[in-house]
Amino acid sequence: NAGVTQTPKFQVLKTGQSMTLQCAQDMNHEYMSWYRQDPGMGLRLIHYSVGAGITDQGEVPNGYNVSRSTTEDFPLRLLSAAPSQTSVYFCASTPSTGPGETQYFGPGTRLLVL
Amino acid sequence: EDQVTQSPEALRLQEGESSSLNCSYTVSGLRGLFWYRQDPGKGPEFLFTLYSAGEEKEKERLKATLTKKESFLHITAPKPEDSATYLCAVYNYGQNFVFGPGTRLSVLP
Repeated sequence: NAGVTQTPKFQVLKTGQSMTLQCAQDMNHEYMSWYRQDPGMGLRLIHYSVGAGITDQGEVPNGYNVSRSTTEDFPLRLLSAAPSQTSVYFCASTPSTGPGETQYFGPGTRLLVL
Repeated sequence: EDQVTQSPEALRLQEGESSSLNCSYTVSGLRGLFWYRQDPGKGPEFLFTLYSAGEEKEKERLKATLTKKESFLHITAPKPEDSATYLCAVYNYGQNFVFGPGTRLSVLP
């Protein structure tokens, strides 16, 4: 099992550009989520999905879009990048939405928006 | 609104010097409290899940405890390889994880 994989590892964008952060898991997990991590603020939930075809907003969804066409993939799209979106982005997956399930995190994507 | 705070923000210990990290939370419905370890440049790694007040779990030099308002991560006789950021998170009935900002632990040889 590769676990949770994310690409790219690092990306530099100019303000206004768009891009897609890729996330994939090979554990057949139902629940997937995207977080951003900023210094001193902890991980904040952007969007999540409880299964293929179902997505919902988290705490900080503005400026981001997601879709979940398969169980394995959960891409995060930045529609028009802004400097405030400079952050480290983590994708995570969980076997189900049950209370005892832990999250497995990917290695992260570092994004710099100039 | 669910909130998680952690203290201290940073902690420096000498090797072998035991201490505790604190996680305080307010949550409308607690389904679980999680502790993670995060090394620089990597994603968080799961350590423990606690479900109810009074519960304790141990793993090597780490022990996590839970009360109705807070959780403690006790580190006994730490080693330099225990240096990391420790994150606390609550899982609520909205099926969301809410994370605290973390405690950066440095263990000096």
